[in-house]
Amino acid sequence: GQSLEQPSEVTAVEGAIVQINCTYQTSGFYGLSWYQQHDGGAPTFLSYNALDGLEETGRFSSFLSRSDSYGYLLLQELQMKDSASYFCAVWNSGAGSYQLTFGKGTKLSVIP
Amino acid sequence: DAMVIQNPRYQVTQFGKPVTLSCSQTLNHNVMYWYQQKSSQAPKLLFHYYDKDFNNEADTPDNFQSRRPNTSFCFLDIRSPGLGDAAMYLCATSRIQGRGDTEAFFGQGTRLTVV
Repeated sequence: GQSLEQPSEVTAVEGAIVQINCTYQTSGFYGLSWYQQHDGGAPTFLSYNALDGLEETGRFSSFLSRSDSYGYLLLQELQMKDSASYFCAVWNSGAGSYQLTFGKGTKLSVIP
Repeated sequence: DAMVIQNPRYQVTQFGKPVTLSCSQTLNHNVMYWYQQKSSQAPKLLFHYYDKDFNNEADTPDNFQSRRPNTSFCFLDIRSPGLGDAAMYLCATSRIQGRGDTEAFFGQGTRLTVV
């Protein structure tokens, strides 16, 4: 089976930097993605890592270490609109198909 | 220019009355997924289609079925909804061409209420 672990809640101050960690256990690992979801909305794609290292997209960066089965999402210059749930999700392959499995999510609250 | 469209956005159904949720896509992606998401929980994969091949998750109840008549459309059928099936149902697509894709595109979801 698969399991993903991430903190359930994080609170940070506007303008600060926050890191959300994710550890995973899965077979057929292909890549790690991060999704943002606001209350009542659909998950929206933030980033994807297939190889070790850091990927940067504007204020968001994501890191992967395949040997440690670990990744993180880094949010810089936090804004109030960043208050949302953040999910790490693993792509794994098997039986000729690919599936995306989500962690339980981290609820980020940005405070003034 | 919505790419993954779910209808309806809100669905109320009676306990035990079959209900169908629909999803369509304009991306021509070959994989379509159905997720169930309950309040404050992660999206849970129910099943997915890779082209015409159906892939069911081991813990998906038999009460949930799916159909994919063509590339663009996919349906989720709940044969006898129970109160515990009230949730947001999310459809997603991705493109797999001999290797995994990097992004799944989600529809806005259908929020199902069972009364």
